[in-house]
Amino acid sequence: EDQVTQSPEALRLQEGESSSLNCSYTVSGLRGLFWYRQDPGKGPEFLFTLYSAGEEKEKERLKATLTKKESFLHITAPKPEDSATYLCAVQAPGGGATNKLIFGTGTLLAVQP
Amino acid sequence: NAGVTQTPKFRILKIGQSMTLQCTQDMNHNYMYWYRQDPGMGLKLIYYSVGAGITDKGEVPNGYNVSRSTTEDFPLRLELAAPSQTSVYFCASSLQQGGYSNQPQHFGDGTRLSIL
Repeated sequence: EDQVTQSPEALRLQEGESSSLNCSYTVSGLRGLFWYRQDPGKGPEFLFTLYSAGEEKEKERLKATLTKKESFLHITAPKPEDSATYLCAVQAPGGGATNKLIFGTGTLLAVQP
Repeated sequence: NAGVTQTPKFRILKIGQSMTLQCTQDMNHNYMYWYRQDPGMGLKLIYYSVGAGITDKGEVPNGYNVSRSTTEDFPLRLELAAPSQTSVYFCASSLQQGGYSNQPQHFGDGTRLSIL
């Protein structure tokens, strides 16, 4: 069965304390892996797309990497404004014209000043 | 740039009532989607549309209906509301080209719906 698992469920960091969030997946024929940020009361905000193992994308303090089984979202020297829930979603074949987009349950990140 | 706009932001319904959640996008995206998000669960696809006049079921379509008469609008209809439909509903859109559907989806800010 296709699955996406994110860990940890919650993470508390001090400002400036770097860390990584994990997204592990079991799908056949990955079409793309997406990272989103979700603030309370808001919709998911697109961050990155990764399509193949070895690919990396960066944006400010965030860097996303992809292997054949998992993706990491590295946060370097985080600031309080990085506090949010980070969602991972994987697209796989099937599910009609959209393929299948499978979301993880997210990692709630809190960065304390 | 408005992006994806959803209305209303909040709504309380009584069991058995019906309502329509509105969604409009101004990015000229051909694909549109409706999701629900429940606590501790990943987003679940309710319905999607690949273009005006074309809709299809997602993972959890029971109790819902959709229509797509224009590129911009994709309303979600709840008939005979039930407590199990209490959730946060998100509309999303994406631009798909060349038969591939692996482009990122862009989301609205959601409608928080309570059925009492």
